[in-house]
Amino acid sequence: KAGVTQTPRYLIKTRGQQVTLSCSPISGHRSVSWYQQTPGQGLQFLFEYFSETQRNKGNFPGRFSGRQFSNSRSEMNVSTLELGDSALYLCASSSETGGAETQYFGPGTRLLVL
Amino acid sequence: AQKVTQAQTEISVVEKEDVTLDCVYETRDTTYYLFWYKQPPSGELVFLIRRNSFDEQNEISGRYSWNFQKSTSSFNFTITASQVVDSAVYFCALSEVTNAGKSTFGDGTTLTVKP
Repeated sequence: KAGVTQTPRYLIKTRGQQVTLSCSPISGHRSVSWYQQTPGQGLQFLFEYFSETQRNKGNFPGRFSGRQFSNSRSEMNVSTLELGDSALYLCASSSETGGAETQYFGPGTRLLVL
Repeated sequence: AQKVTQAQTEISVVEKEDVTLDCVYETRDTTYYLFWYKQPPSGELVFLIRRNSFDEQNEISGRYSWNFQKSTSSFNFTITASQVVDSAVYFCALSEVTNAGKSTFGDGTTLTVKP
């Protein structure tokens, strides 16, 4: 099976702009989670989608949003970018078959906000 | 609230040495999952192991072994006969069994294995 894919891999934006990141989960996985990784804050949970519904949300401002499509692909959007949004954004997918959930991560999108 | 502590920020060893990465966790849940991930310079988190809280058996996979002790809330990871390719950042993580899509990560331990 193909792994989790994320596009784009690298992105440079300026303050105030908005950005959309995409994640395609492993085939058959219905849960997609997003994490932000920065040197200062480490890996922080953003949100999780399952069957097109947001199931969990981390402690991030409303500028961070996401959605999931019927084919389980997910997008996250950050509006009004701030310098502090520069980070590696990781997407993870998991299958909930038999309760044996394990998250498999994509390569991430490196976002630089200037 | 859940918390994962990896007290070792950086560890440096010489090839073929054994090295143990520590992980201590806090949770009020009686059932939970513990994970270890490896993050090479490319950035992708590579899944290494998942352990259920009700299974305290230690596990060995090749040069890797994990020691889970519920009594001390620890889930330590040992690499035997380390190799240069083991150089990476290693993360310990915790999630609720009913909420596995939301994991709490430690700050990671950067392991450098020198030839």
